[in-house]
Amino acid sequence: QVQLVESGGGVVQPGRSLKLSCAASGFIFSNYGVHWVRQAPGKGLEWMAVISSDGTNKRYADSVKGRFTISRDISKNTLYLQMSSLRTEDAAVYYCALHKGRGWYFDYWGRGTLVAVSS
Amino acid sequence: SSVLTQPPSVSVAPGQTAKVTCGGKNFGSKSVHWYQQKSGQAPVLVVYDDSDRPSGIPERFSGSNSGNAATLTISRVEVGDEADYYCQVWDSTTDHYVFGTGTKVTVL
Repeated sequence: QVQLVESGGGVVQPGRSLKLSCAASGFIFSNYGVHWVRQAPGKGLEWMAVISSDGTNKRYADSVKGRFTISRDISKNTLYLQMSSLRTEDAAVYYCALHKGRGWYFDYWGRGTLVAVSS
Repeated sequence: SSVLTQPPSVSVAPGQTAKVTCGGKNFGSKSVHWYQQKSGQAPVLVVYDDSDRPSGIPERFSGSNSGNAATLTISRVEVGDEADYYCQVWDSTTDHYVFGTGTKVTVL
């Protein structure tokens, strides 16, 4: 079955960097676009970024464009999110999500990894 | 970019029907998707493409989309349905994905 397992979260100081990973299994990773979605404590869901199946097309939410970079390693079945110049408002649970169906929705989600930004 | 407005909360008694609305511009031209998120858990897709259900989702969950509003309907509500519900669309003008503000469904 489809599994998405995020890792790499933790406590980081404002202005520093952090790299999140999402290990995928149970499907052909190279066939699908994958996303990052975040949720600040007590807040709603916010789409962050998507990378196409072949890794050539990437799009970002305006709130992180220029600071965050999404990438994927097909050989490792792993999705990444490199976060730079972190701000206190970037503190959230970060989920990776799979767009496997024909439409523009997220049919599978990981359990998330928590990022705290604090001095 | 799209702004999707949902009521902050909806309360319903067990066995009754809960309706969660999602408002936005030009909804009729967009497909709307709905997610259920229970406390401390990841979201789960419950309705996609306005009114389709993924396998494993009870028939009690249904969706509709007309004009400037979409609606998630939960029939014969159970205590286990208590959760936050989010609508979502893909905005073709920005090529971004947009979530609604979220609705907390409380089962009295």
